[in-house]
Amino acid sequence: EIVLTQSPATLSLSPGERATLSCRASQSVGTYLAWYQQKLGQAPRLLIYDASNRAPGIPARFSGSGSGTDFTLAISSLEPEDFAVYYCQQRTSWPPRVTFGPGTRVDIK
Amino acid sequence: QVQLQESGPGLVQPSESLSLTCVVSGSSIATGHYWGWIRQPPGMGLEWIGSVYHSGNTYSNPSLKSRFTISVDTSRNQFSLKLTSVTAADTALYRCARQYSPNYFDSWGRGILVTVSS
Repeated sequence: EIVLTQSPATLSLSPGERATLSCRASQSVGTYLAWYQQKLGQAPRLLIYDASNRAPGIPARFSGSGSGTDFTLAISSLEPEDFAVYYCQQRTSWPPRVTFGPGTRVDIK
Repeated sequence: QVQLQESGPGLVQPSESLSLTCVVSGSSIATGHYWGWIRQPPGMGLEWIGSVYHSGNTYSNPSLKSRFTISVDTSRNQFSLKLTSVTAADTALYRCARQYSPNYFDSWGRGILVTVSS
């Protein structure tokens, strides 16, 4: 079974700074990787799908990259509303499985 | 715009069964997509429970030891989750979501908090 590892667990940054979040898979997932943002008390919000495609309505400051086992979510310049928890998620075709990473919390420094 | 709404009991006794329903509006289950259940214990991360296709085909998280059953009712445009023999470890916010493509979840319900306690 594929395990996703996210690093760092917590990232403390100031508004305007660049954030770089990592997601590593225990085996190749191709580009079947998505990123979500979750704010306290809210449902997760899809940011990036298929590793590098921004979901509709997601600002251009969010970008995703990677393939195989190593993926990155970058936020070019943090806005106050970007401080949240970010999860990566993968799907395998066979056996059909979905896995979420443990999350990275982006805190205000 | 797709909307999903979970319903069910908020409190369940240990060892009993839990049934949740997700009503979908703005999209017909019968036209495709997988539909999934994801839970989140208080203060913790996301755990995928399982997913169902409109045909009734399902696949689920093997780590949850087959205590979960997911079904679909296309006539009511809803899908359901049943969990048997609940314990305190099943206390969580349960959310339903549309699994688009089916690589990712693009629309989510607000969730329902289920507490297992006597």
